[in-house]
Amino acid sequence: SQKIEQNSEALNIQEGKTATLTCNYTNYSPAYLQWYRQDPGRGPVFLLLIRENEKEKRKERLKVTFDTTLKQSLFHITASQPADSATYLCALDLRDDKIIFGKGTRLHILP
Amino acid sequence: DTAVSQTPKYLVTQMGNDKSIKCEQNLGHDTMYWYKQDSKKFLKIMFSYNNKELIINETVPNRFSPKSPDKAHLNLHINSLELGDSAVYFCASSQDVTYNEQFFGPGTRLTVL
Repeated sequence: SQKIEQNSEALNIQEGKTATLTCNYTNYSPAYLQWYRQDPGRGPVFLLLIRENEKEKRKERLKVTFDTTLKQSLFHITASQPADSATYLCALDLRDDKIIFGKGTRLHILP
Repeated sequence: DTAVSQTPKYLVTQMGNDKSIKCEQNLGHDTMYWYKQDSKKFLKIMFSYNNKELIINETVPNRFSPKSPDKAHLNLHINSLELGDSAVYFCASSQDVTYNEQFFGPGTRLTVL
C-alpha cells in the first residue's frame, strides 16, 4: 500500500541545536518533494521544494535532502530558535499532478 | 495584500443545513485547490481546478460541489451537512499544475452541531 510517514509526531530540541525531521514514503514515485510549515490556526506555508534528481537543497538555516533509493527526505533546521516551533509537513508531488501530505511533525524548540 | 483569502473564517451550523465557503486568489495562478484538515491534522486534497476546469476529484461525497466562476475564485458548496464534515477547510492555489508550490488561505473552521 502507498504510505507517507513523518516519523515523529512531536520533537523537542534545545535552542541552538540542529533539528532533523524525517519523511519516509512507500510505493510512490514522486517528481518533487516539498516541505511546509504550519502554525496553529493558520494555513501551511511553503518552505522548500526538491526535485527527484537533486540530492540537497538549502535556504538560509534550512536544508533538505532527498534520497529516492531510500525513499526518504530529511529536513534540517540549524541553529534552531524558539520561533521555529511549528508543525512541519512534507508533501509528495506526484506525476499525475496530485500532491499528498504527511501528517506532520510538531517541533518544539526549547529556550 | 492577501494572496489567498477565504470567507468565512468560522462557520457553525446544524446538521442537514447547506453552506458555502468562498475563496479568492490575487496571485494570477491558474490552479486552485480545496483541502480538508481533520481533527488529527491530516491534510487531504478534495478538489483541484485548472483554469476553471475540474482536474482532481478525490472520492469526495457528492454533497460537496466546487464551483469556479473564474480562475481567481473557487467556491465550495456543501449540502446536507453531517457531523463528520466538521474540519478546517483550506483553499490553495499554485502557478499551474506542473509546479505545485501551494499558497494556502487561512482556513475555514466548520463545526456541524
